[in-house]
Amino acid sequence: DGGITQSPKYLFRKEGQNVTLSCEQNLNHDAMYWYRQDPGQGLRLIYYSQIVNDFQKGDIAEGYSVSREKKESFPLTVTSAQKNPTAFYLCASSTGRNNEQFFGPGTRLTVL
Amino acid sequence: AQSVTQLDSHVSVSEGTPVLLRCNYSSSYSPSLFWYVQHPNKGLQLLLKYTSAATLVKGINGFEAEFKKSETSFHLTKPSAHMSDAAEYFCVVSTPFSGGYNKLIFGAGTRLAVHP
Repeated sequence: DGGITQSPKYLFRKEGQNVTLSCEQNLNHDAMYWYRQDPGQGLRLIYYSQIVNDFQKGDIAEGYSVSREKKESFPLTVTSAQKNPTAFYLCASSTGRNNEQFFGPGTRLTVL
Repeated sequence: AQSVTQLDSHVSVSEGTPVLLRCNYSSSYSPSLFWYVQHPNKGLQLLLKYTSAATLVKGINGFEAEFKKSETSFHLTKPSAHMSDAAEYFCVVSTPFSGGYNKLIFGAGTRLAVHP
């Protein structure tokens, strides 16, 4: 089956720790995205990547970092500098202009 | 600048009655518009998209939306609600990035409840 996988589904982190969220796609899409979703709000863009070894900041990149070493993978690291990291994180991918984005099932991160 | 306003944060209907979820957009040029659905603790699934072809767009699960440029609206409708339609719905407008890809601007969402 083609699609996007995210792991883990649930993640708990202590304050001051970095944590990495996984996103893998086998759709052969060039572009990948990370979003954050908070209750009662729409999705906000954290980072995006249009091609391997290149990525750009989105609207709320502070406290996050990414890498894009392979076309299939776009991991997101939530660093200790992110002041309010508890949220639902969604990864997406797309093929190009005017095309829809396909979403993974999400990772719920809770900071204890 | 592109923006999206979903006019209702919550909508409640009875099973078998029509569904109307309202969305207005702001765009400086001809937009691409989408409706996505999200069931609890799940990712988003595309319901339908408008990309300057027919103004009445049919999607999955019996949903459709009509693009009205004069009203800057893209309302989502379904003739008869089913219990499985209960979910959160997002209206989305697309705006170009540099390099040929699009950034999605999300509305705040409308939570649809369906009662027996």
